[in-house]
Amino acid sequence: NAGVTQTPKFQVLKTGQSMTLQCAQDMNHEYMSWYRQDPGMGLRLIHYSVGAGITDQGEVPNGYNVSRSTTEDFPLRLLSAAPSQTSVYFCATFQRRNTEAFFGQGTRLTVV
Amino acid sequence: QQQVKQSPQSLIVQKGGISIINCAYENTAFDYFPWYQQFPGKGPALLIAIRPDVSEKKEGRFTISFNKSAKQFSLHIMDSQPGDSATYFCAASSNTGNQFYFGTGTSLTVIP
Repeated sequence: NAGVTQTPKFQVLKTGQSMTLQCAQDMNHEYMSWYRQDPGMGLRLIHYSVGAGITDQGEVPNGYNVSRSTTEDFPLRLLSAAPSQTSVYFCATFQRRNTEAFFGQGTRLTVV
Repeated sequence: QQQVKQSPQSLIVQKGGISIINCAYENTAFDYFPWYQQFPGKGPALLIAIRPDVSEKKEGRFTISFNKSAKQFSLHIMDSQPGDSATYFCAASSNTGNQFYFGTGTSLTVIP
């Protein structure tokens, strides 16, 4: 039972490149979210999903795309990387509203 | 607009002392208030959570105090230990929403 698995753990991109951050969960949770963590800013919600085929924007969605074709997977796509997207990205899942959220180990992304 | 305001940003406590972290919120629809603990290089993990029907919840050395009228809640760590050194996030959510709102985090250092 792996929980929430994020890949890769580290990534360096050049400005303008695109990439996909992967998130997979084996807990059969309906709710999945992507956060970015920046010093002094806490965890800010990028996009979230309440089930397969349903996604919505969070607080800081610009420059990112998501899709949810299965319950297990929720990839985050950076369309054209910018230095402002240098951050640590976390995927989180929870089963129902107002219950424990489980986080992956994070992806540290640097855009140069 | 920060939905949950957290203070202090950093905290240094002597071993055996009490660590106190405070959070405040505005949205009266929030009805679930978790605290997450994050160690370097790891994702946040649930530490303790409270719902507004009680004013205090204690688990071992960790206590949440909740003041519904003031819209404030706080984390108290009794007999703080060096192993408690981590970043702590408060959060809030509602049973009608689909996301958590996190505070900006508190970096706690416990000095031996």
